[in-house]
Amino acid sequence: DAMVIQNPRYQVTQFGKPVTLSCSQTLNHNVMYWYQQKSSQAPKLLFHYYDKDFNNEADTPDNFQSRRPNTSFCFLDIRSPGLGDAAMYLCATSKGGGSNEKLFFGSGTQLSVL
Amino acid sequence: LAKTTQPISMDSYEGQEVNITCSHNNIATNDYITWYQQFPSQGPRFIIQGYKTKVTNEVASLFIPADRKSSTLSLPRVSLSDTAVYYCLVGDIGNKAAGNKLTFGGGTRVLVKP
Repeated sequence: DAMVIQNPRYQVTQFGKPVTLSCSQTLNHNVMYWYQQKSSQAPKLLFHYYDKDFNNEADTPDNFQSRRPNTSFCFLDIRSPGLGDAAMYLCATSKGGGSNEKLFFGSGTQLSVL
Repeated sequence: LAKTTQPISMDSYEGQEVNITCSHNNIATNDYITWYQQFPSQGPRFIIQGYKTKVTNEVASLFIPADRKSSTLSLPRVSLSDTAVYYCLVGDIGNKAAGNKLTFGGGTRVLVKP
């Protein structure tokens, strides 16, 4: 019954070793988001796709990239993870981008960097 | 983009009513107010949304005064399982035309005690 699915639930990588996090959705929503959430902090938007239109937040490091090959899937690539990139990464979707839209979140991927 | 301000934390006891007020002085005419709940190690979950006056669903009520510069989430008769962080969000969430995207404020950490 899961609508936004993130894999894996836990990911361990080494300092500097590229890692990819996956997100899929069964809602057929137009918008997909990636958030970073560090311990005891609010989720921070990294970027989002409105259909195929990529929108990067101004303060998202270049180390973070994203791909959306089709409506259902979206990937977060961290090219050279640093210790400071250890966090929960949340994928979310919404039907549109308006104020009355609702965000649907996955369970997140907890990334550890050794 | 309407910035939101919430109390950092609140303590309550089982069976009590919890009211969390969010300030959003710069709310725009078309902005809706949406509340999310987040448990540890999970993605946020939609609770309730409103535009004006009062909205009630099976889990909460949302009170919005006429000037819409604040809103109050009311959780009736809380239980231990309502211990979570509650976020108030106002504005467009992914509308590129709007020029900015919704960001999460600090949230309110609610602790329900036995």
